[in-house]
Amino acid sequence: ELKVEQNPLFLSMQEGKNYTIYCNYSTTSDRLYWYRQDPGKSLESLFVLLSNGAVKQEGRLMASLDTKARLSTLHITAAVHDLSATYFCAVVQGAQKLVFGQGTRLTINP
Amino acid sequence: EAGVAQSPRYKIIEKRQSVAFWCNPISGHATLYWYQQILGQGPKLLIQFQNNGVVDDSQLPKDRFSAERLKGVDSTLKIQPAKLEDSAVYLCASSRLRDSRRHGYTFGSGTRLTVV
Repeated sequence: ELKVEQNPLFLSMQEGKNYTIYCNYSTTSDRLYWYRQDPGKSLESLFVLLSNGAVKQEGRLMASLDTKARLSTLHITAAVHDLSATYFCAVVQGAQKLVFGQGTRLTINP
Repeated sequence: EAGVAQSPRYKIIEKRQSVAFWCNPISGHATLYWYQQILGQGPKLLIQFQNNGVVDDSQLPKDRFSAERLKGVDSTLKIQPAKLEDSAVYLCASSRLRDSRRHGYTFGSGTRLTVV
């Protein structure tokens, strides 16, 4: 059974700093997604990573995928308060079943 | 295009009562999912439909939960009878394979269920 683990689960950081969220998964998959969730809101798709070495960037967020290590990272550059949210990685298993990690609750302080 | 529609947005019921949630996926999306998200956790898949057939319901508590997708479009999820531990947000999502490789799966706003 596919397991998806994120770390850290909680992250408090200051504006302007850089940090990385890690996502490990236990079995081979051909797709990995990153989602953002604001309190009381639904899930917003951020990135779709399809192949080994894939890198996607949007603003201050950059996601990468290493399928050999079964590891994805979400890097935050020069954090701003607006990026405070919970971030989930999710991995596809079998017939399009999406398995989520526990989420990383990110708080960015002024 | 219109997103995934869910209703109601909020529901409060007493334990042992029944409740139903409704989902209308994005037009043309053959795959529909129901996820349960307990506060502070990641979403957990309850059931996956491909058109009107069930692909995966291995984590659906079938003694109390049921779901159907009539004509391969709308879907309803029912809980009967509800337990306190069913308090969660129930998220509906839909996808189409070629879109999911580029854009991911689209989630609705969810139904927040509180069982008291």
